[in-house]
Amino acid sequence: DGGITQSPKYLFRKEGQNVTLSCEQNLNHDAMYWYRQDPGQGLRLIYYSQIVNDFQKGDIAEGYSVSREKKESFPLTVTSAQKNPTAFYLCASSQELTGTNGYTFGSGTRLTVV
Amino acid sequence: RKEVEQDPGPFNVPEGATVAFNCTYSNSASQSFFWYRQDCRKEPKLLMSVYSSGNEDGRFTAQLNRASQYISLLIRDSKLSDSATYLCVVNMLKDSSYKLIFGSGTRLLVRP
Repeated sequence: DGGITQSPKYLFRKEGQNVTLSCEQNLNHDAMYWYRQDPGQGLRLIYYSQIVNDFQKGDIAEGYSVSREKKESFPLTVTSAQKNPTAFYLCASSQELTGTNGYTFGSGTRLTVV
Repeated sequence: RKEVEQDPGPFNVPEGATVAFNCTYSNSASQSFFWYRQDCRKEPKLLMSVYSSGNEDGRFTAQLNRASQYISLLIRDSKLSDSATYLCVVNMLKDSSYKLIFGSGTRLLVRP
């Protein structure tokens, strides 16, 4: 079955460490997105990519980095510069660049700083 | 002003009740509209798209009023399994490209 796979499901990070969250899709979607969700809040866009080797900053890109070397993969690195990284991270993809039919989400990675 | 606004709730209703959620959005050039459902500690899943003519899927009815920039979701004959957070989502032009903008969600609790 086609879908989006995020790993790991849970991740614990020490302060000062960089960590990378994986996102892989086999839906042949061109566009991919990373969102962050904090308790009781909506999703906020971190980065998005509409084509291989190109990506754009979202609303809260500071302290994060991404790459898009393959169509199927869009990993997110949470760097030590991110002041409050504890959150639920969601990766999504869409067939159309305009998102006209909505996005499909992975099951998320819950990151905790210890 | 938030781009997509929803009443956070919670809405606490008995099984069998009818409940309605509302949502307003700020950008009149918005292109498409959705309701997503999110269970606790899970990812959002598309519940239904929202069309200007209104659309229905079983017990769920969605309406869009472009003039008032207002979206609604009506759930009839509520089930215990309907308990979740419902996210209003608008596809709007922002920074030269269309993106989905999510409301903070309305929490529904259906009690026996």
